[in-house]
Amino acid sequence: GAGVSQSPSNKVTEKGKDVELRCDPISGHTALYWYRQSLGQGLEFLIYFQGNSAPDKSGLPSDRFSAERTGGSVSTLTIQRTQQEDSAVYLCASSSRTGSGNTIYFGEGSWLTVV
Amino acid sequence: SQELEQSPQSLIVQEGKNLTINCTSSKTLYGLYWYKQKYGEGLIFLMMLQKGGEEKSHEKITAKLDEKKQQSSLHITASQPSHAGIYLCGAEGGSARQLTFGSGTQLTVLP
Repeated sequence: GAGVSQSPSNKVTEKGKDVELRCDPISGHTALYWYRQSLGQGLEFLIYFQGNSAPDKSGLPSDRFSAERTGGSVSTLTIQRTQQEDSAVYLCASSSRTGSGNTIYFGEGSWLTVV
Repeated sequence: SQELEQSPQSLIVQEGKNLTINCTSSKTLYGLYWYKQKYGEGLIFLMMLQKGGEEKSHEKITAKLDEKKQQSSLHITASQPSHAGIYLCGAEGGSARQLTFGSGTQLTVLP
């Protein structure tokens, strides 16, 4: 597709269950980001992938959160043993360094509700 | 870590009025991004500024970067209801490739 694609767009899960969120970046983009936005809050950085380099995981809030990026393209964010405070919009973004800078494009997000 | 402060936090204007949103960084700005967010639509990229004094325009939206002041402003001319939404500034800081975002400015345009 032309843009960053995320799935599912909405997910309701029970507390304690594991969830997987998928991100399909723009074709050819080498960088991929995950952010979280809680209700009424700003965007919180989670993790960043750049090519084959080791990911920057400095934003992951706990060891229940993990992410991987297979083949330098699709990424999956996994939240284990979900808690109510995990309810948020999870946004994925991708970018490709160009001569004019690093334009970063976001997907529409995956809305996660933990009940 | 870098922090971005946006002002105002919310803004209500009458259609046709001009408005300005500011974004101030606690550290040197290496790249400043403006996004617009509407409910259920994710973040829409507006523009990116890299150089001090740079100014970009798209339709009725103009953004400027004052590198010395570590500040950027977003100006909307003759606002329309379609401009309503949350405007977010994001900055790339030095070696960190991830963006740090401000808390957003919620804009309401009254018809």
